[in-house]
Amino acid sequence: DADVTQTPRNRITKTGKRIMLECSQTKGHDRMYWYRQDPGLGLRLIYYSFDVKDINKGEISDGYSVSRQAQAKFSLSLESAIPNQTALYFCATSGYRVNEQFFGPGTRLTVL
Amino acid sequence: AQSVTQLGSHVSVSEGALVLLRCNYSSSVPPYLFWYVQYPNQGLQLLLKYTSAATLVKGINGFEAEFKKSETSFHLTKPSAHMSDAAEYFCAATSGTYKYIFGTGTRLKVLA
Repeated sequence: DADVTQTPRNRITKTGKRIMLECSQTKGHDRMYWYRQDPGLGLRLIYYSFDVKDINKGEISDGYSVSRQAQAKFSLSLESAIPNQTALYFCATSGYRVNEQFFGPGTRLTVL
Repeated sequence: AQSVTQLGSHVSVSEGALVLLRCNYSSSVPPYLFWYVQYPNQGLQLLLKYTSAATLVKGINGFEAEFKKSETSFHLTKPSAHMSDAAEYFCAATSGTYKYIFGTGTRLKVLA
């Protein structure tokens, strides 16, 4: 079984709709991250969390919100989706003493 | 401020030829450096990482990278390309805090 899972894998929605992307991990890591990937731009950090009570904005948090329901679960919400939020979204984890990040398979979101 | 630059958004090599993907970083402190690979419809997988131990780092699938502080580089190489190496490759850096900086990616094409 995958260590970091994301649901849904693909989603098409309309402008103005609220949508939630979910991430779960079985690695036991405290740190969780949400990124978006756009062609030619690499990965940009949306939000990150060091534990359930510690949530922080990344470089592009406008239009997004998150919830850390448990150590293993970190959800990303788009309160009112807009077309320029069409992108590939990745969840990642890392441990306190682990340098590298571990990525989920991604969610491809299309906002019409 | 930390930044990561990948030269060449697209690289093509013939099967069996040397693979060289370039990565330069700027940092006021020696960073931790990573190379990740992304296959179509998948998340990022760690190829290798530099954490201030040996400057020549060996990774999975025959890849290696050399940390050169004087050149602020961490180029990825593989002596002989295989068709299965076709993917997108990302260089990333962190100074050990929460923030990981990703390059914009290099798409590797392997020609038969």
